[in-house]
Amino acid sequence: EVQLVESGGGLVQPGGSLRLSCAASGFTFSTSDMNWVRQAPGKGLEWVSYISSRGNGIYYADSVKGRFTISRDNAKNSLYLQMNSLRAEDTAIYYCARDFGYSYGTFDYWGQGSLLTVSS
Amino acid sequence: QSALTQPASVSGSPGQSITISCTGTSSDVGGYKYVSWYQQHPGKAPKLMIYEVSNRPSGVSNRFSGSKSGNAASLTISGLQAEDEADYYCSSYTSSSTVIFGGGTKLTVL
Repeated sequence: EVQLVESGGGLVQPGGSLRLSCAASGFTFSTSDMNWVRQAPGKGLEWVSYISSRGNGIYYADSVKGRFTISRDNAKNSLYLQMNSLRAEDTAIYYCARDFGYSYGTFDYWGQGSLLTVSS
Repeated sequence: QSALTQPASVSGSPGQSITISCTGTSSDVGGYKYVSWYQQHPGKAPKLMIYEVSNRPSGVSNRFSGSKSGNAASLTISGLQAEDEADYYCSSYTSSSTVIFGGGTKLTVL
């Protein structure tokens, strides 16, 4: 059974930093492209970042470019999102999501999400 | 880049059919076959319902279907059931190698 379990969320002050983790199991993580998608409270979905299976292809949404860094450790079956210079508008549930094969931008499995709150 | 345009809400009675539209541009919906639809129940993670415009993942009911014409895609749900009540989001791959979502549509089953 495919499982994605996010952790690391919490309350951070504006300007602060936090790292989210996503532990993957039930599939071959090292051959899967991965993403982070977020959802502000009561709002819609927003794609945040993508990383290829080997980590050599990375993309970011304009809203986080220069502040967030996506990475992965295939030996640990883990995905990460380092978030710096956090703003109130980064407050959201952050989901890790697996890319669906060769279908670009299609996410077939999602974690349960980790809540980040940016507030003083 | 602005979100894809979806109606804020749609409604239908059990057994009826509804269609949710998703409008983008030639740089996203119109330019690629990589249009997906997701269902999200309150407090739950999104679930993939349609990928590549009209394909259903294993396990998704054939009451769900998708199509595309030009810069607009659509999700149709036939034979509405109470459990279909949820938020629905479209998404598309873009020319910038990013992904853009629609604003979401709340489906109410009357």
